[in-house]
Amino acid sequence: SAVISQKPSRDICQRGTSLTIQCQVDSQVTMMFWYRQQPGQSLTLIATANQGSEATYESGFVIDKFPISRPNLTFSTLTVSNMSPEDSSIYLCSGRRTETQYFGPGTRLLVL
Amino acid sequence: AQRVTQPEKLLSVFKGAPVELKCNYSYSGSPELFWYVQYSRQRLQLLLRHISRESIKGFTADLNKGETSFHLKKPFAQEEDSAMYYCALHGSSNTGKLIFGQGTTLQVKP
Repeated sequence: SAVISQKPSRDICQRGTSLTIQCQVDSQVTMMFWYRQQPGQSLTLIATANQGSEATYESGFVIDKFPISRPNLTFSTLTVSNMSPEDSSIYLCSGRRTETQYFGPGTRLLVL
Repeated sequence: AQRVTQPEKLLSVFKGAPVELKCNYSYSGSPELFWYVQYSRQRLQLLLRHISRESIKGFTADLNKGETSFHLKKPFAQEEDSAMYYCALHGSSNTGKLIFGQGTTLQVKP
């Protein structure tokens, strides 16, 4: 299995500001992903974090709003830029190893 | 289009009763199906995957390609089974990404 940690675990932010969420995996994973879980909703994939290159974004998500970095095989960051109350969600990082995806505990974001 | 449908938002049963959480999918190729579970205040974790054909915590799920279903079953529910359950589809081995259903909250009453 893979152990995934995220920082911060939660935050309250003002609209117009940006927040960077960090994701650390305890050992190498082949792929890393970022998901969003809005209140009362299921998980929606934001993007695939690619090591050393630009992330691959899903429809409805853009790099300017959600810049992602993955400098190595065990670390990734997601930035939520120019936040609005609609960005209030849980953001989850996941890593894939041997055909199984493991999830971090999530970052609970509230934008006022 | 790739889609996962869990028609029940909430399923409430008594302890010892059988449980079936429904999952239907839409995918044109050969899918990999998973069940993930999230207990209260815990992270999302893999419960089982169809290719393993295993039973975890008494739960089983069989992939029915004819009905495009992957229902999760347990013959006798326990209170500790109360959680949110997500069905997920992995549609392409090249991308690795998962598509999740809306989730079903299972409530097992004493």
